[in-house]
Amino acid sequence: GAGVSQSPRYKVTKRGQDVALRCDPISGHVSLYWYRQALGQGPEFLTYFNYEAQQDKSGLPNDRFSAERPEGSISTLTIQRTEQRDSAMYRCASSLVGGGPETQYFGPGTRLLVL
Amino acid sequence: AQSVSQHNHHVILSEAASLELGCNYSYGGTVNLFWYVQYPGQHLQLLLKYFSGDPLVKGIKGFEAEFIKSKFSFNLRKPSVQWSDTAEYFCAVNADTGRRALTFGSGTRLQVQP
Repeated sequence: GAGVSQSPRYKVTKRGQDVALRCDPISGHVSLYWYRQALGQGPEFLTYFNYEAQQDKSGLPNDRFSAERPEGSISTLTIQRTEQRDSAMYRCASSLVGGGPETQYFGPGTRLLVL
Repeated sequence: AQSVSQHNHHVILSEAASLELGCNYSYGGTVNLFWYVQYPGQHLQLLLKYFSGDPLVKGIKGFEAEFIKSKFSFNLRKPSVQWSDTAEYFCAVNADTGRRALTFGSGTRLQVQP
């Protein structure tokens, strides 16, 4: 596609429910990143993939958070047993991967509200 | 671990005023530097980036930034702002260590009054 797309754009859920957030990267982009942005803050790194391999998950806050990218394209970020503190904007970005520095292109984000 | 500081949280300017937004990072090694912008209702867009070479980089819409290694700074500038520049601006850094995650500052909200 022309850009990174994310769905849903907005998600309201009740505490304790599981949610799945989807990211579709730019066609041909190898790397895919997930960030979380709390109100009034900048995005914070969660995890990233090269192709289907999860390269770094050091930013995932706890084991309720997981991500996958089984075919090296679309990725899903899953939050189990949601808590109110999980409310935030979840941003996905993608990039080409090469031997040097790269530019990450962001999607519109999914705003999650946990009641 | 690297960190990024944006000291101006909210800036209000009149049209045609000059703009400078501060960005300082903490990391002793080689870094890649970025400014992203988020216009109201839109997603994060790349404004400009610095990887190497000329420390004065020019981006879209008349923005520029200067990398000053001795000051660990990458300030964003624009000589004359427009109402359409109203947005939130984020500085980000990526250490050139192979760890590809971006570290963002907390953002500066710019409001340009007509």
